[in-house]
Amino acid sequence: GAVVSQHPSWVICKSGTSVKIECRSLDFQATTMFWYRQFPKQSLMLMATSNEGSKATYEQGVEKDKFLINHASLTLSTLTVTSAHPEDSSFYICSASASATYNEQFFGPGTRLTVL
Amino acid sequence: AQSVTQLGSHVSVSEGALVLLRCNYSSSVPPYLFWYVQYPNQGLQLLLKYTSAATLVKGINGFEAEFKKSETSFHLTKPSAHMSDAAEYFCAVKKAAGNKLTFGGGTRVLVKP
Repeated sequence: GAVVSQHPSWVICKSGTSVKIECRSLDFQATTMFWYRQFPKQSLMLMATSNEGSKATYEQGVEKDKFLINHASLTLSTLTVTSAHPEDSSFYICSASASATYNEQFFGPGTRLTVL
Repeated sequence: AQSVTQLGSHVSVSEGALVLLRCNYSSSVPPYLFWYVQYPNQGLQLLLKYTSAATLVKGINGFEAEFKKSETSFHLTKPSAHMSDAAEYFCAVKKAAGNKLTFGGGTRVLVKP
């Protein structure tokens, strides 16, 4: 149980285009989802926290207009990188937390974004 | 604010030897503590967690960690390293009343045959 999927697993796009990444909780309802960014050989940095049906809370320094997060249902959250540039190339990881397991986040497999 | 420090960004061990990964935290309130493992190009897998119950926590794959409040530490150990243990390991802390994880910098483990 407690499986989180991400799609796509990798994506290559041209500079200036937008890319959407999906995060799904497959066997539980995720009241809260988190989006992280991980640069090569570095730790995870929390970008934003989203609760189903409400606006995401962004961490300091994260541009909300560039990284659009939608959490429209209890099983799906999306991260859209708008007008992507090469510096946005990174590994994006989502996690999900259910109210019944408040202590634990379940992580997706990650999405590698490369912007040319 | 809470923070996590992992001592040693790289650890090299021989197969069959003890694995010891160090984690120290700072938190103004009793925290929940986690160890995660990450294999290349994959997400994080939970190894074990401390949530204010037993101070010695046993996890998957033979790993265990001990919460020591006096030392503000949560070191991860495994008695005998296996080649499959080669990965990146992250310690994380969360306030009991919150839902945000703060990660340490990570420790990459190399297992030599």
